[in-house]
Amino acid sequence: GNSVTQMEGPVTLSEEAFLTINCTYTATGYPSLFWYVQYPGEGLQLLLKATKADDKGSNKGFEATYRKETTSFHLEKGSVQVSDSAVYFCALSDRGQGAQKLVFGQGTRLTINP
Amino acid sequence: NAGVTQTPKFQVLKTGQSMTLQCAQDMNHEYMSWYRQDPGMGLRLIHYSVGAGITDQGEVPNGYNVSRSTTEDFPLRLLSAAPSQTSVYFCASRERTVPYGYTFGSGTRLTVV
Repeated sequence: GNSVTQMEGPVTLSEEAFLTINCTYTATGYPSLFWYVQYPGEGLQLLLKATKADDKGSNKGFEATYRKETTSFHLEKGSVQVSDSAVYFCALSDRGQGAQKLVFGQGTRLTINP
Repeated sequence: NAGVTQTPKFQVLKTGQSMTLQCAQDMNHEYMSWYRQDPGMGLRLIHYSVGAGITDQGEVPNGYNVSRSTTEDFPLRLLSAAPSQTSVYFCASRERTVPYGYTFGSGTRLTVV
């Protein structure tokens, strides 16, 4: 079945540091890929998405590129801020019958220190 | 604001009690679903619905019931709460077409004692 594996956390960085959170996936079809962010006490918000190979999703300074050859969708940001502290989830949604659920990684807790 | 609304935000139940978690969306999405979030396990699908009158099981359906009488509402019922159901519950609705973007509610934190 489909699965998503994320870099284990927690991750702690200083403000203005470079961020990478690794995400790899296994899928039988040709999935859409997502990064969701969860701020403390809140629900999940869509951060960015990509639907086909070599697509780059971007939002709020975050980027991720859909790499079919390495089945990866790593999240990056060039200069993190304290306000980026949150839990980040990588997820996929397949086509057809597989579209009936969003498959999540286990989440990566990110803390940014001033 | 358009979106997914969940109530209540917090709930404490005693073992064996029943309750219904409410979920409503105003985006006219046909697809709705319930997830539970547990530490270190990401989110797992409980039940989903592809339209009014149609529901199906997800990964972890035991102990939960759902029904879908309208497009807008998708309540989740716990018939006899157990401590293993202590979790944060999220309702989500989804677009009809690729990339199937999901919109999540703000969650219900449930504690069963």
